[in-house]
Amino acid sequence: EDKVVQSPLSLVVHEGDTVTLNCSYEVTNFRSLLWYKQEKKAPTFLFMLTSSGIEKKSGRLSSILDKKELFSILNITATQTGDSAVYLCAVSMDSNYQLIWGAGTKLIIKP
Amino acid sequence: GAVVSQHPSRVICKSGTSVKIECRSLDFQATTMFWYRQFPKQSLMLMATSNEGSKATYEQGVEKDKFLINHASLTLSTLTVTSAHPEDSSFYICSARDGQTLGHEQYFGPGTRLTVT
Repeated sequence: EDKVVQSPLSLVVHEGDTVTLNCSYEVTNFRSLLWYKQEKKAPTFLFMLTSSGIEKKSGRLSSILDKKELFSILNITATQTGDSAVYLCAVSMDSNYQLIWGAGTKLIIKP
Repeated sequence: GAVVSQHPSRVICKSGTSVKIECRSLDFQATTMFWYRQFPKQSLMLMATSNEGSKATYEQGVEKDKFLINHASLTLSTLTVTSAHPEDSSFYICSARDGQTLGHEQYFGPGTRLTVT
């Protein structure tokens, strides 16, 4: 059965800390892994990763994929209260355009 | 770029009535659109996938006669909740995939909060 597992499920840190969120997957015909941030409304797209070992970076956020070990990490450095959100990981397959979703990591940044 | 709008953002209706939710891709052609439902503190649940000009594909357990999906153009898909019941109250989110690219990323609308009284 195709599945995506995120850890931890929730995380509370202080402003300025660095956090690492994990996403592991088991899917047939892997195509890409995607990270989204969801605050009060719908998810916003962060990254799409297709190749192993190539880091994608946007400001204080970065992500990398390991297709051999079947996981990805999302790093956030110098966290701010505005980073508080649920971070969702999803995987797409070659067979169709649907995404297999993880349960999300709820990140809380305390001032 | 890659902006998706959804309307209305919030709707309250009476039990037994129907509600239509619109999802539009504003700056790209969405050959594929997706409709999700999300309950509080839970992840996204895919309801159906729609391709422009063809019938939607519904996920197991989703009643196609209750949740009518129409994807008549490359920029518009609609979800109609027919004969709504209180248990249909939820957060409905659409997403769209840009048909001009090879990527699988989906861009989400802001969601519609439906409350059935």
